[in-house]
Parts: sequence; C-alpha cells; structure tokens
Amino acid sequence: EPEVTQTPSHQVTQMGQEVILRCVPISNHLYFYWYRQILGQKVEFLVSFYNNEISEKSEIFDDQFSVERPDGSNFTLKIRSTKLEDSAMYFCASSVSDEQFFGPGTRLTVL
Amino acid sequence: DQQVKQNSPSLSVQEGRISILNCDYTNSMFDYFLWYKKYPAEGPTFLISISSIKDKNEDGRFTVFLNKSAKHLSLHIVPSQPGDSAVYFCAASGGGNKLVFGAGTILRVKS
Repeated sequence: EPEVTQTPSHQVTQMGQEVILRCVPISNHLYFYWYRQILGQKVEFLVSFYNNEISEKSEIFDDQFSVERPDGSNFTLKIRSTKLEDSAMYFCASSVSDEQFFGPGTRLTVL
Repeated sequence: DQQVKQNSPSLSVQEGRISILNCDYTNSMFDYFLWYKKYPAEGPTFLISISSIKDKNEDGRFTVFLNKSAKHLSLHIVPSQPGDSAVYFCAASGGGNKLVFGAGTILRVKS
C-alpha cells in the first residue's frame, strides 16, 4: 500500500541553525501539506501546496519557513533559523481530495 | 483555537463492547469531517470521513454520525478490539484543504 515517507525520523539541531525536513508524498497525489504537533498540544496546520505554489498557510508559517518541491517526488520544509519553540513533531501529508494521508513524522529537537 | 473540541481526554472500554468517541465543532463553514487514529511515534492514520451532506457513514466496524444542527459528530467502533487502543483525533475542513484537529481522545480497550 502506498504511503507517505519522511526523513529523518529525528533531527537535533542548535538554535539558529537551518534544518530541512524531507517528505516523499504518495505518487499520484496532488496536494501536499505540513503540520506540526508540539508535545502535549494539538496537531496544527502549517502550509498546503498545490501546483507548485503555496495555496494556504497559517500564522505559524512565517518568513523563517519555506517549502519546496525540488523534483517530481520530494517535498521539503525548511526552517531558516531554528528557535527553541520550533521543537515539535513535523508531519507531512498528501491527498488527491479531502482525505489526507500522513507520514510517520520527523521529531525536531532544537537545543 | 477551539474550533474542534474533543472533551473526553480518555475512554476505557471492554473488548467486544461499543466505543463512542465524541467531537464538537464551532465553525459553521466546516463541511468535511475526518477521524484519524494515532499510535505513539507514528503519524495519524486516516480511518473514516463524512461530508456535511450526509448524517452517517459506515466502514466495517467504524461508523461516523454527524449532527449538523448540534455541530456534533461521533465515531462508533463496534465491536471494540484491543488493537483499537490508540489516540483518536477528530478533524474538520471547510473552504480549503487545511485540517483543524481536536486535542484527541485516548481509547483503551481492555481484554
């Protein structure tokens, strides 16, 4: 069964460093998303991406964040200068319609 | 952001009995509702969904009921099995693709 994959599973970084989280969405899906879950809090929407551009973004998704689909398979989330409060599980998701399918997540720890 | 609420943090059910998980929402613009199941250290797994034009959707042991006038939906699992023990998230979308999640309910099915 096709699934969304994410790498790395765990990323540890120093505050102020750049990180890139990678995702391979399900191959025939057209819509791509990033969500995050801070420990003990709800899953929060960050950004959606369709037809090579951002279709919607949340207040969290400020200038420090960017997304890219560099080739036909990968979908990346870049955080330019990480802050302590960026520590969270980051989930990638993809869809063809309303049902979104999630990857296993990347745990980002900012020290 | 309290647009989607799951007021029961946890639920304990005997194997073979019915599990009923509840969700309330406040935003009248929501027109699609989904339930996800999540195990520790994994991403949310899509279970079942319902459009606002329906009041019931069934898939095997899982049934979702939607009461639009009360802005309430529920997930019924019958019969419950020990493997159903997980965190269950209610999510909603409307006028776009972003999902708004509830806080989750921990379901424990005792054998």
